Parts: sequence; structure tokens; C-alpha cells
Amino acid sequence: DGGITQSPKYLFRKEGQNVTLSCEQNLNHDAMYWYRQDPGQGLRLIYYSQIVNDFQKGDIAEGYSVSREKKESFPLTVTSAQKNPTAFYLCASRLRSNTGELFFGEGSRLTVL
Amino acid sequence: EDKVVQSPLSLVVHEGDTVTLNCSYEVTNFRSLLWYKQEKKAPTFLFMLTSSGIEKKSGRLSSILDKKELFSILNITATQTGDSAVYLCAVRRDDKIIFGKGTRLHILP
Repeated sequence: DGGITQSPKYLFRKEGQNVTLSCEQNLNHDAMYWYRQDPGQGLRLIYYSQIVNDFQKGDIAEGYSVSREKKESFPLTVTSAQKNPTAFYLCASRLRSNTGELFFGEGSRLTVL
Repeated sequence: EDKVVQSPLSLVVHEGDTVTLNCSYEVTNFRSLLWYKQEKKAPTFLFMLTSSGIEKKSGRLSSILDKKELFSILNITATQTGDSAVYLCAVRRDDKIIFGKGTRLHILP
């Protein structure tokens, strides 16, 4: 079945450690996105990528890094520079057309101890 | 700065009531406005609106966009407990898609 797979679903890390969240899609979508969601908040855009080997910062990119080496994959690294990394992270993708809506993965919940 | 503002942030109504959720935006190079429903984890797509004044409808849900006044509304008629969720509004400018804070809707039986 086509879809977006995020892993891991739950992740714990100690302060000072980098962690990488995986996002893979088999929908043949061009664009991919990472959002962060905190309690009572909507989705805030971290990074997005329109094509392979290219990506743009969103509104809260500080402390995060991404890569887009393959069309299907858009991993997010939460670095030790991110001051408050505990959150729910959602990956999404879409076709780059006028009618391409976002499809979401099931999310990854990161807790920093 | 691009922004999407939803109101109210929280709403509690009784089953059978009709609700109207609001979304206003300030975005350059507007392409489309999207509505999503989030119950647990992954938001699910409801509507995409690109043209003013054309109502989109799906069952008890409907939505309309006003590009002159820069807002959209999402209506839910004859609400049911299964409509309890966070409703998210998003706006696309080129490939960038930004969301509002959402409206948390709770339907009392």
C-alpha cells in the first residue's frame, strides 16, 4: 500500500545527543515536509524539500538538519543545539501540482530526558 | 511575515449543534487553503480551496474561501461525537505550507 512511514514512533534521548527521525514515502511525491507539533499548538514548519538534493528552511529550522538524497526519503536530525526538542514530529509529502494536498505519516514522538 | 490565524482555539458544543470554524490568513503568493482533521496522530485531509465563493461540501462538512477578505470558514452541521477533533487550517504559498494553531472541537453527547 502507498503511504508515508515514519520511524521510530517513540524515541527517548538524553540531553546533548543528536537523533535522526526517518521518513520514507512510496507515493512518488516530489515535495516532502517536516513539522513539529507541541501541545495546544498547530503544526510549525521545520524544513521542506521540493526536489532531490534541495531543501529550504521553514519557520523553526534552528537546531535541526535534513537531507534529500533520494526522492523517497527525507530524514530529520534533531541536534543538541535544539533547545527544546521534546515534541511530536510529523512528516508529510505532496505532488507539486495545484491540487496536491499534503499526506501525513503517523508521527514520531521524541522525549528528551 | 506569513500568518494563519484560527478561531476559536477551543469550542465545546452539544451533539446536533452546528459549528463554524474560522481561518484568516496573510500570505504572499497565495496558492490554496487546506482544511485537515486531526484526531490522534496523522491529520486527515478535508478540503482544498483555491477559488473564492465556491463552496466545497462533503456530507455534513462544508467550506468556503473569500480571497478578498482573506479568510475561510469550515461548517459542520448536525454535529456528532465523532466530530470531536482538532481542525487545522493551512495555506500554501508556492511549495511552503503553513498551519494555524488549530481549533479543538469537543462534542458533548
